[in-house]
Amino acid sequence: SQTIHQWPATLVQPVGSPLSLECTVEGTSNPNLYWYRQAAGRGLQLLFYSVGIGQISSEVPQNLSASRPQDRQFILSSKKLLLSDSGFYLCAWFTGLNTEAFFGQGTRLTVV
Amino acid sequence: GQNIDQPTEMTATEGAIVQINCTYQTSGFNGLFWYQQHAGEAPTFLSYNVLDGLEEKGRFSSFLSRSKGYSYLLLKELQMKDSASYLCAVRDEYSGAGSYQLTFGKGTKLSVIP
Repeated sequence: SQTIHQWPATLVQPVGSPLSLECTVEGTSNPNLYWYRQAAGRGLQLLFYSVGIGQISSEVPQNLSASRPQDRQFILSSKKLLLSDSGFYLCAWFTGLNTEAFFGQGTRLTVV
Repeated sequence: GQNIDQPTEMTATEGAIVQINCTYQTSGFNGLFWYQQHAGEAPTFLSYNVLDGLEEKGRFSSFLSRSKGYSYLLLKELQMKDSASYLCAVRDEYSGAGSYQLTFGKGTKLSVIP
């Protein structure tokens, strides 16, 4: 069965510090991978998606970046965090055939 | 792009039935999902519709009309634990084969009261 791992679960970082969130998928190959962010009381906003190794598409301009170094690994990064980067970050995978989109447990990021 | 609308908040009584509506506009429709999300947690999958009609799963049902760009989630025999946000999401295929996007509405916060 398919499993998606995301870590860490919670993170408190000072403004200006770097960020690295990792997501890995098991039980499937060549998945489409996605990073979403949910600000407090808001909907899920698509940040990045990837259809393959080294292929990244950005939906929202910001100081975040994403990379896909391996087929089942997706990384969200920042060189310098802003207060506005606080939120709940979710990694997901799905394809056009899935009848369910699978989410990681999420990372609660607080920038202080 | 996609435009997905759902009510911001709803309140219903324990034991009652509630219907949460979702309207959408999209060009490459490839399915509609409903998720439940409790505060601070990841979304939990509830239902999936890709063809017109009603899908039933226990106390939850979801309906889709592709021609109208409309879906609803029906919750029966409401329980206090059903208090949560309910997210409508539309999957699109675009930019060529194999590229999909899942766009979420802002969610409907449902409060179940005794």
